[in-house]
Amino acid sequence: DTGVSQDPRHKITKRGQNVTFRCDPISEHNRLYWYRQTLGQGPEFLTYFQNEAQLEKSRLLSDRFSAERPKGSFSTLEIQRTEQGDSAMYLCASSLVERGETQYFGPGTRLLVL
Amino acid sequence: DQQVKQNSPSLSVQEGRISILNCDYTNSMFDYFLWYKKYPAEGPTFLISISSIKDKNEDGRFTVFLNKSAKHLSLHIVPSQPGDSAVYFCAASAYSGANSKLTFGKGITLSVRP
Repeated sequence: DTGVSQDPRHKITKRGQNVTFRCDPISEHNRLYWYRQTLGQGPEFLTYFQNEAQLEKSRLLSDRFSAERPKGSFSTLEIQRTEQGDSAMYLCASSLVERGETQYFGPGTRLLVL
Repeated sequence: DQQVKQNSPSLSVQEGRISILNCDYTNSMFDYFLWYKKYPAEGPTFLISISSIKDKNEDGRFTVFLNKSAKHLSLHIVPSQPGDSAVYFCAASAYSGANSKLTFGKGITLSVRP
């Protein structure tokens, strides 16, 4: 069990640029979640996949955000035309639905938009 | 609309004593509750969970109590150790098995004094 990994760990970008983050879940896990955490807040749900199907998107996920999990393994989260308000920690988690509700988180990607 | 509330932003306890971290929720559909520990610049680490069919779950030094009628849960850490100093998040999910997205509180910063 190698845990959930995320890449990159840190990203600094200029406003208006596009960024893409990658998440590799625990290998046998069929659910994958994206959350966003800002300073002083708990993580907030963005979207989740069961295998390759994206089953729910939060209203926090504006049209500039898109997530994919093309083969039911790793996932990418892309933010287009970044804004300063997008600066946050982006967290990925995975779970095996047959084993219950526990989600295991990766180390996160810290995004700073200048 | 904060559905999971951690009203005390911080707690300081002496090493060896008990730490009690509280959490309240408002959504009666929540049926699974988790506690996560988070160090700066890292993702949340799962600690312990409890299903709504139980009122207590214990794992080593960590015990979670659930009072469904009061919509309240608490995490007890006994004995507290300096390495327990971190931010602790309470999280909840609804519709067990169907959609397990987590709703988090804002977190409590625990400081354990040597």
